[in-house]
Amino acid sequence: DAMVIQNPRYQVTQFGKPVTLSCSQTLNHNVMYWYQQKSSQAPKLLFHYYDKDFNNEADTPDNFQSRRPNTSFCFLDIRSPGLGDAAMYLCATGTGLILGNVLTFGAGSRLTVL
Amino acid sequence: RKEVEQDPGPFNVPEGATVAFNCTYSNSASQSFFWYRQDCRKEPKLLMSVYSSGNEDGRFTAQLNRASQYISLLIRDSKLSDSATYLCVVNKDDKIIFGKGTRLHILP
Repeated sequence: DAMVIQNPRYQVTQFGKPVTLSCSQTLNHNVMYWYQQKSSQAPKLLFHYYDKDFNNEADTPDNFQSRRPNTSFCFLDIRSPGLGDAAMYLCATGTGLILGNVLTFGAGSRLTVL
Repeated sequence: RKEVEQDPGPFNVPEGATVAFNCTYSNSASQSFFWYRQDCRKEPKLLMSVYSSGNEDGRFTAQLNRASQYISLLIRDSKLSDSATYLCVVNKDDKIIFGKGTRLHILP
């Protein structure tokens, strides 16, 4: 049974047209992460929530926003997608424990920008 | 210096051989360490955690050297199904950073 579910799996959008990607979890984990992964590159952390506390990475563009309305759901909003934003977006959850903060990933949302 | 560095490979290794990957990290205050496996166009999945005492899971052995800020993964008797990208992952507090990954191709 999938424990971290991302929707949609595939998203095609036009340059500049806003996109929202969703992530839900059944693990009741405190921490939810959004990563961007481009081909042959490491997953790059965009931001994460520890409960309701939002932690933005310094180099995450303002074009990327996130919402976590409750423990189970987290959203990634891309306000004006550019061609360079085409990537796989991975949501992950973690317990936040200092020793053993193992991540569970969703299957990802692959974004294409035309 | 990148926070987590790995040799990107690819490593092309005959089936049955032993292969070793290395990873270095820059933050000496890092608290926990992992190896993840990622298949092509799939999400990363946990392979194993890495402990200072070293740990083994079947054909896989992971080692951590805190003094040198160095993590390793050894795969013995490699199988075709081991072909994947292996990601070194480092955790400090609730922030988790991935290395770029090392690509492994097991050759029949």
